[in-house]
Amino acid sequence: SQQGEEDPQALSIQEGENATMNCSYKTSINNLQWYRQNSGRGLVHLILIRSNEREKHSGRLRVTLDTSKKSSSLLITASRAADTASYFCATDVPGTYKYIFGTGTRLKVLA
Amino acid sequence: DAGVTQSPTHLIKTRGQHVTLRCSPISGHKSVSWYQQVLGQGPQFIFQYYEKEERGRGNFPDRFSARQFPNYSSELNVNALLLGDSALYLCASSLGDRHNVRDGYTFGSGTRLTVV
Repeated sequence: SQQGEEDPQALSIQEGENATMNCSYKTSINNLQWYRQNSGRGLVHLILIRSNEREKHSGRLRVTLDTSKKSSSLLITASRAADTASYFCATDVPGTYKYIFGTGTRLKVLA
Repeated sequence: DAGVTQSPTHLIKTRGQHVTLRCSPISGHKSVSWYQQVLGQGPQFIFQYYEKEERGRGNFPDRFSARQFPNYSSELNVNALLLGDSALYLCASSLGDRHNVRDGYTFGSGTRLTVV
């Protein structure tokens, strides 16, 4: 079963608005990653945040991690139509090489 | 520099047949992972290989097998195909082992397998 659950499952916003997606997971982690997927093709790595980090930025992306609540959020500021995609969080399973992906949030940015 | 390449991009097979999917990691990457993504769901971990050894296996039946070659490329084999095996199969490479995670995976574009 999948450990990560993204919320919301789908999100539709206007260009220029901010988009926030949340991810919850069940067990302890070393790191959490966010990926973007366009039209069911390969995933593109966006950002990795370690368990001892609380916030990380990359361009228009801001990721937070709250290990006490086992949750993470991805904020995309000033969204563009090109941001339309599915976004997944992935958590490692400590002691293994395995990552567990969530169910994804489908983001649609309207021009 | 080439990214992760997968072949073929699309494939149609009949139930009961066998399929081999191929992956070439980024040059210098020694770790290859395979994931299955069914439509509408997140990717599910199948295998991880590092330095040609299997380091992890997900909850998939023995019909699924894989191997990694000396040049770090990898094959995923699926025997006795079922309709439920229809999915996007993703290969991902990474630089180091789990003790040296600096970046995420680099994924290929995937192989779309349809079983009819």
